[in-house]
Amino acid sequence: DTGVSQDPRHKITKRGQNVTFRCDPISEHNRLYWYRQTLGQGPEFLTYFQNEAQLEKSRLLSDRFSAERPKGSFSTLEIQRTEQGDSAMYLCASSPTGVLWDFGPGTRLTVT
Amino acid sequence: SQQGEEDPQALSIQEGENATMNCSYKTSINNLQWYRQNSGRGLVHLILIRSNEREKHSGRLRVTLDTSKKSSSLLITASRAADTASYFCATDGGNQFYFGTGTSLTVIP
Repeated sequence: DTGVSQDPRHKITKRGQNVTFRCDPISEHNRLYWYRQTLGQGPEFLTYFQNEAQLEKSRLLSDRFSAERPKGSFSTLEIQRTEQGDSAMYLCASSPTGVLWDFGPGTRLTVT
Repeated sequence: SQQGEEDPQALSIQEGENATMNCSYKTSINNLQWYRQNSGRGLVHLILIRSNEREKHSGRLRVTLDTSKKSSSLLITASRAADTASYFCATDGGNQFYFGTGTSLTVIP
C-alpha cells in the first residue's frame, strides 16, 4: 500500500498526558498537511509543511501542539498536557502540487 | 473558520434514487473539490472542478459550479447503499483547503 499512513489509528489517553502521532506521506509528495476533525464537523486546518519547512500554522495550533517533519519525510504531531477538548480525529494529507491531496485514515484521539 | 457550507446537513434516499447536495462558499476560488468520508475514516477525493469550469462528470458523479453565486452542487445518480457516507466540499485558500460541515447521506437498500 503506497497511500498515506497514520499511526496509531486510535489513542485513548488521560487528561494531562502527552501524545504523539505519526504520518507517513506518499514518498514523492513534498507537501504535508495536518487537519483536526471533531464529531459532526468538517476538517479544520492545523499546519502545513513543504519538505521540512513548516510554512503555515493555524491559530488552532496552541502552544501545547507541535509538529515536525524532519528530513521532509514523515511528520509527527505532538500534543502536550492533553485536554478533553483535544478529543478529535487528526487527519494527515500529502500532495505533490498542493491541488490534489491524498488523506490518511486518521488517528482518533480520546482524552478521558 | 470554515468557508464552505453544505446543504442539506442530512439526506436519506432509497437505493437507485439520485442524491443532490449543495455547497456555498464565501470568497473567490481557484478550484473546488468534493470529498467522501465513510464513518470514522479518512477523506477520499471524488472530483475537482476549476473556477473556469461549469460542469464536470466522473462516473455516477456530476458536479456543477456557479462562481457568480459562489455555489456548487454534487449529484450522485443511481445511488447505492455503498454511497452512504458524509460528503464535503473543499475550497482552496492559499496553502490549505477550507472544508464545509458536510452532508450526511444515507442510502437505504
